[in-house]
Formats: sequence, C-alpha cells, structure tokens
Amino acid sequence: QSVLTQPPSVSGAPGQRVTISCTGSSSDIGADSDVHWYQQLPGTAPKLLIYDNTNRPSGVPDRFSGSKSGTSASLAITGLQAEDEADYYCQSYDSSLTVRVFGGGTKLTVL
Amino acid sequence: QVQLVEFGGGVVQPGRSLRLSCGTSGFTFSIYGIHWVRQAPGKGLEWVASIWYDGNNKYYADSVKGRFTVSRDNSKNMVYLEMNSLRAEDTAVYYCARDVSGGRSQTPFDNWGQGTLVTVSS
Repeated sequence: QSVLTQPPSVSGAPGQRVTISCTGSSSDIGADSDVHWYQQLPGTAPKLLIYDNTNRPSGVPDRFSGSKSGTSASLAITGLQAEDEADYYCQSYDSSLTVRVFGGGTKLTVL
Repeated sequence: QVQLVEFGGGVVQPGRSLRLSCGTSGFTFSIYGIHWVRQAPGKGLEWVASIWYDGNNKYYADSVKGRFTVSRDNSKNMVYLEMNSLRAEDTAVYYCARDVSGGRSQTPFDNWGQGTLVTVSS
C-alpha cells in the first residue's frame, strides 16, 4: 500500500485538460515536504517532470504544471497530446519515518 | 551527458544473495546522493534505499531494512546494492537514480538508469 494516494487512472481527449491528485498526510506533504512528479512512458525509466511542487526541469513543456495545498498536491496537463499517455507518480518525503515515499501511480489514457 | 547504468540483475533463488551495481558518468559523482528505486512487474515505484554523497548517511525502506545494504565507491563512480535473504516479493526492476543534491531529504531524482531486472524464484 502506497503512502501517497493517487487515482489509478485518468483519461482525456486530445486538447483537453486533466488533473492527477496526490493525497498524503501530516507526516509527509502536510509536514511541508516538497512534492515531485515523474512521468514513465511505456517500457522506459521514470523521468522527472515537476520538482519542488511547481517547478519544471528544462525541456518539460509548460503544458505540465504542479500545485500543492495542505496535505495534497496536483499535476495538471493542458492541451493533452497522444504522447502524454504514460504513468505518472508523485513523490515526497516522510519526515517522521525519514524515508522517501511514492504514490501508487496514475495511468493517463489519451482517448 | 549524465548516465547511470545498472547491472548485476538476474534470477536468484529465495534466501540467496545478489549484488547490483550502478555505474555513472558525465557528472561529478562524489557530490551527489544516489537512490535505488524498484518496480515490481506491473506495479508502481517503490523507493528502496538512499546514500548521501559521502557515503556517511544511508536510509532504507522498512521492506528491505536489515537485508539490503547500499554502498558507494567515489573513486570508481559506482554505487552498489547488496541484497541478502531475497524473497519472491523482491522481484522487480531496480533503478538507480541521481539526487539533485548530495542527498538532502526533500530533493528529487533528476536522472535515472534504465533498470536491471531481479527475479527471485526457485
């Protein structure tokens, strides 16, 4: 069982906007730990997509954005494209257990 | 460019040991923390272990604590994961990933290897 909770799947049509939630607790996201997001395309290693809640690494399109509030965080993808079809994972830090934690992952399907 | 390459995976019997290696290049290895993350077949990502830039701080997931040991050799730009008392539930692709810093607690993983498959089966 993952420490961070994500919906198993989301879907959207090309051009639409989708959001993926990541719910934690008072010991991780709620303890002011930063949230990071990773994209894993089929058959490949994960790739850093959003770091420190809202920041995009160089090369990541501005269609991807992150936010954080309280014990939750969200990843938004606008102008959905076929190549966005992938698994998305949130990650944070549990300050009470001193461990990194991942969400269970969300499979994005572009209809 | 930054590269991380894992090797050492394979098929191993339950209760036996295996050592994974992570070779790196393209960056100043000795100032970065390194993590091991695994992914069971068809499942999500699970953080396994972390080692700080100088090797003096190591952290483990409860699921592997006492069985796995992470180490590094800064003279060889290598990180290792010694896995003992392996169980069927340790079957996964194991990735090594670079921290954006020396290994501070909240920092993300900015570069990943391609992974190596470990299968624990009799």
